[in-house]
Amino acid sequence: DAMVIQNPRYQVTQFGKPVTLSCSQTLNHNVMYWYQQKSSQAPKLLFHYYDKDFNNEADTPDNFQSRRPNTSFCFLDIRSPGLGDAAMYLCATSVRTGTDTQYFGPGTRLTVL
Amino acid sequence: AQSVTQLGSHVSVSEGALVLLRCNYSSSVPPYLFWYVQYPNQGLQLLLKYTSAATLVKGINGFEAEFKKSETSFHLTKPSAHMSDAAEYFCAVSDRAYNQGGKLIFGQGTELSVKP
Repeated sequence: DAMVIQNPRYQVTQFGKPVTLSCSQTLNHNVMYWYQQKSSQAPKLLFHYYDKDFNNEADTPDNFQSRRPNTSFCFLDIRSPGLGDAAMYLCATSVRTGTDTQYFGPGTRLTVL
Repeated sequence: AQSVTQLGSHVSVSEGALVLLRCNYSSSVPPYLFWYVQYPNQGLQLLLKYTSAATLVKGINGFEAEFKKSETSFHLTKPSAHMSDAAEYFCAVSDRAYNQGGKLIFGQGTELSVKP
């Protein structure tokens, strides 16, 4: 089945230690998104790639970076995680942006010690 | 700017009872509306999507939603709740292509509990 895969499902890191989260897709979609979701809150869009074009949300901290080396893979890098960065990180894909349906992966739950 | 308001952060129903989750939107142009469900420690799964083709939209797992322009509402219903429906439900709106300034905007979510 075509799908969005996130690895790892659970990640524990230490305060200030860089961490990378991975997302891959077999849907061959043009757009890949990264969301941050804190407990009992709605997902918050961090950024997205439309093909190789990177689009950052205005309020996304510089501590968060992303890479998309090819159509299938997208990475979220947190350069110096703080306690406030502990959250569920969701990857999603869509054919196009805006009104197209977004398909979500299962998420990676990040714990910062 | 578009926005979504979900009335009730927690809704509790008995198994077999009607499920009604409320969503009101604000949009200056005809919107696209979505309902997503999220089970604990999982990603979001699309339940249904309104694209202006029909005001009553049927989704997966027996859910449906009705678009009412006059009320700016898109409430989610299911005639008979099942224990497996217990989850967090998000309403979302998008009214323009992203490169024209629009994006998917989520409501704050409604947690549905189902009592035996």
